[in-house]
Amino acid sequence: AQKITQTQPGMFVQEKEAVTLDCTYDTSDQSYGLFWYKQPSSGEMIFLIYQGSYDEQNATEGRYSLNFQKARKSANLVISASQLGDSAMYFCAMREPQGGGFKTIFGAGTRLFVKA
Amino acid sequence: KAGVTQTPRYLIKTRGQQVTLSCSPISGHRSVSWYQQTPGQGLQFLFEYFSETQRNKGNFPGRFSGRQFSNSRSEMNVSTLELGDSALYLCASRGLGTYNEQFFGPGTRLTVL
Repeated sequence: AQKITQTQPGMFVQEKEAVTLDCTYDTSDQSYGLFWYKQPSSGEMIFLIYQGSYDEQNATEGRYSLNFQKARKSANLVISASQLGDSAMYFCAMREPQGGGFKTIFGAGTRLFVKA
Repeated sequence: KAGVTQTPRYLIKTRGQQVTLSCSPISGHRSVSWYQQTPGQGLQFLFEYFSETQRNKGNFPGRFSGRQFSNSRSEMNVSTLELGDSALYLCASRGLGTYNEQFFGPGTRLTVL
């Protein structure tokens, strides 16, 4: 079963508008971390935002916010005031305990296109 | 602070050869993870090292191996290369703290002919 599901292979948004990228996850652990990364066409992975499973407040980092709904196991990324430079692949990831250590797994990604 | 560096950035090999990729983490980071990224399989976890010990391993054949040195630099090795090993190999380092964010290097793009 998929641990991280990103149901939107591609998304379009008009410049200056807000956009929500969906992410649902599956875990039986109580302690875990959720991350969003951006990957431009250059290939580098850029950390955007983090949400801990015990954090009660939704995380925010500048124009990025994470809509964390623990009961629904969703961790959607909201980008406000989209910019042309936001066009990229976006990956949702979860870090959870596994086999005495920890493992980070990534979703399939959502490609965001920002239109001028 | 310098970021994560990976060498080489590009590599072309032929089937049956072996390859070694190198990763230098951010200064002070002792955790290094490796990922394989392909269009078909996405980002897949290879292994994670902390203080020279492999802490976790993904579902890859034994041809994929790695190690970490006392200065936290890490190498991964792929032996008997197959066409399907063509991918972007990403290395990431993390500071202390289980849920700290990972910082990724630019990747090594491996092409197997």
